[in-house]
Amino acid sequence: DAGVTQSPTHLIKTRGQQVTLRCSPKSGHDTVSWYQQALGQGPQFIFQYYEEEERQRGNFPDRFSGHQFPNYSSELNVNALLLGDSALYLCASRGSGTGGYEQYFGPGTRLTVT
Amino acid sequence: GENVEQHPSTLSVQEGDSAVIKCTYSDSASNYFPWYKQELGKRPQLIIDIRSNVGEKKDQRIAVTLNKTAKHFSLHITETQPEDSAVYFCAASIFLGGAGGTSYGKLTFGQGTILTVHP
Repeated sequence: DAGVTQSPTHLIKTRGQQVTLRCSPKSGHDTVSWYQQALGQGPQFIFQYYEEEERQRGNFPDRFSGHQFPNYSSELNVNALLLGDSALYLCASRGSGTGGYEQYFGPGTRLTVT
Repeated sequence: GENVEQHPSTLSVQEGDSAVIKCTYSDSASNYFPWYKQELGKRPQLIIDIRSNVGEKKDQRIAVTLNKTAKHFSLHITETQPEDSAVYFCAASIFLGGAGGTSYGKLTFGQGTILTVHP
């Protein structure tokens, strides 16, 4: 079991550009959430996807959008990048069955905006 | 929305001592409380969790207690070891309804505690 995987590991972008981050959930998991973790802070919830629909959204602007595919993998898209978007982006997955409340994180994508 | 406060922000102990980290939450609807350990440059790892129908849960040297009336929960680590050194985060989640894991909403995290265990 590969666990939650994310790509790429690191990314450097310029202000104003667009970026796409990818996530594959843990085997057997169908719910994917995305979090932004700035240096020295706790993860902040961006949104959660289940059955290819956005189920819940945090306090992030519309520049942040996502998608979930039929195989449960997910993408996070950020448009018009700002310097403040530099952070570690974490994907987390959980199962929807009974007892599937435990959420497991991927290794993250370190995004640097210059 | 939910707000989670975590204290202390830093904690330094000697190997073998106990460490306690405390969190308070604001939304009484929260009923799932996990704790994560994050080592430098690595992903947060779930170390223990508790649901609101339980007051205490223990797993070897780690225990979590929950006081729903006071809206606070704590992580207790006994017999600390240098490898326990990391950043620890508490979190809270609200049950949205329905069955299964999807019925739990987002995790709201505390600000983190940097634990240093000196040999």
